[in-house]
Amino acid sequence: GAVVSQHPSRVICKSGTSVKIECRSLDFQATTMFWYRQFPKQSLMLMATSNEGSKATYEQGVEKDKFLINHASLTLSTLTVTSAHPEDSSFYICSAREQGADHNEQFFGPGTRLTVL
Amino acid sequence: AQRVTQPEKLLSVFKGAPVELKCNYSYSGSPELFWYVQYSRQRLQLLLRHISRESIKGFTADLNKGETSFHLKKPFAQEEDSAMYYCALSEGITGGGNKLTFGTGTQLKVEL
Repeated sequence: GAVVSQHPSRVICKSGTSVKIECRSLDFQATTMFWYRQFPKQSLMLMATSNEGSKATYEQGVEKDKFLINHASLTLSTLTVTSAHPEDSSFYICSAREQGADHNEQFFGPGTRLTVL
Repeated sequence: AQRVTQPEKLLSVFKGAPVELKCNYSYSGSPELFWYVQYSRQRLQLLLRHISRESIKGFTADLNKGETSFHLKKPFAQEEDSAMYYCALSEGITGGGNKLTFGTGTQLKVEL
């Protein structure tokens, strides 16, 4: 089956620093990847849609200058949280849609727990 | 805009009892509906999607366009079914968009 990995699984950083999270599709190519944020005991909130070779599409209310997304290849998308603050602490999850798929199924990564001190 | 509603945050049933997790949606077009499951400390994974019309782990879900519902059912709950269940909607391939809108999730707890 299609596997998506995320790195790191857990990160703790100081306020004001930047953190990069990687999302990789391991055994398939993904033209589209998605970044979600999940607060404790809450649902997934889509932050942005990342398309290979083009600019990401951000959801309303998500600051594109704060959450930088790069999708440079068909197997890798990165999310950089710039100048992180404690309110950015959350669980970040990526997902990927297989290139050429005739359905909208997304394969999810295990998530990255970000804690900003 | 599309919306997915899961009215129950927590559903507790006894082992062997029937299960129904409710999901209602609002969308003007022709949606693609999914059920995703998240077991404890595991990633979100697809349980089933309406276009496949399949049964996975004994679960089924029928899309009712008249009632705009996609309820998840299983006749006999098992202990291993305890997990968080999310209903999700996509605009569908012809809609031009492929992002998923998730419901708030229902925690299913199967008790012995």
